[in-house]
Amino acid sequence: DGGITQSPKYLFRKEGQNVTLSCEQNLNHDAMYWYRQDPGQGLRLIYYSQIVNDFQKGDIAEGYSVSREKKESFPLTVTSAQKNPTAFYLCASSIRPQPQHFGDGTRLSIL
Amino acid sequence: DAKTTQPPSMVCAEGRAANLPCNHSTISGNEYVYWYRQIHSQGPQYIIHGLKNNETNEMASLIITEDRKSSTLILPHATLRDTAVYYCIVRVSYGNKLVFGAGTILRVKS
Repeated sequence: DGGITQSPKYLFRKEGQNVTLSCEQNLNHDAMYWYRQDPGQGLRLIYYSQIVNDFQKGDIAEGYSVSREKKESFPLTVTSAQKNPTAFYLCASSIRPQPQHFGDGTRLSIL
Repeated sequence: DAKTTQPPSMVCAEGRAANLPCNHSTISGNEYVYWYRQIHSQGPQYIIHGLKNNETNEMASLIITEDRKSSTLILPHATLRDTAVYYCIVRVSYGNKLVFGAGTILRVKS
């Protein structure tokens, strides 16, 4: 089945460590997105990419990095510079003119 | 993107229609109204979107007022599985981001 796969579902990080969240899609979508969601709040955009080898910062990019070497993959690295990384991270993808579709998220916690 | 206002919570009886309102009084002529929902600990699920005409799909109907300043999402026969947070979003047809507010928590009760 076509869809967006995020892994792992739960992730624990020690302070000072970088961690990478995986997002893979087999929908042949051009654009991919990373959002962060804190408890009881809506989603906020971290990074987005409209084509391979290109990406732009969203509203809260500080402390995060991404790459887009393949159309299917858009991994997000949460660096040690992100001071409050505990959150629910959601990846989405889309192709013009269809709406964005989301994965089931990765919940990151700090040990 | 225009701002939207939704009630924080609603309750609906199982089997009845759930009508979720959204105000978007500053919407521009080229902005669409999108609805998503999010069940606890899952990613948001796309429901429906529209520009100015009413829209219907297998999940829901979207009624947009003539002046486009408000809209209503209708779930015709709500079930317990429809309990979720519903988000109304306004943006251009292929914007770079979706701006999610706090949404409406819909509780469907038996």
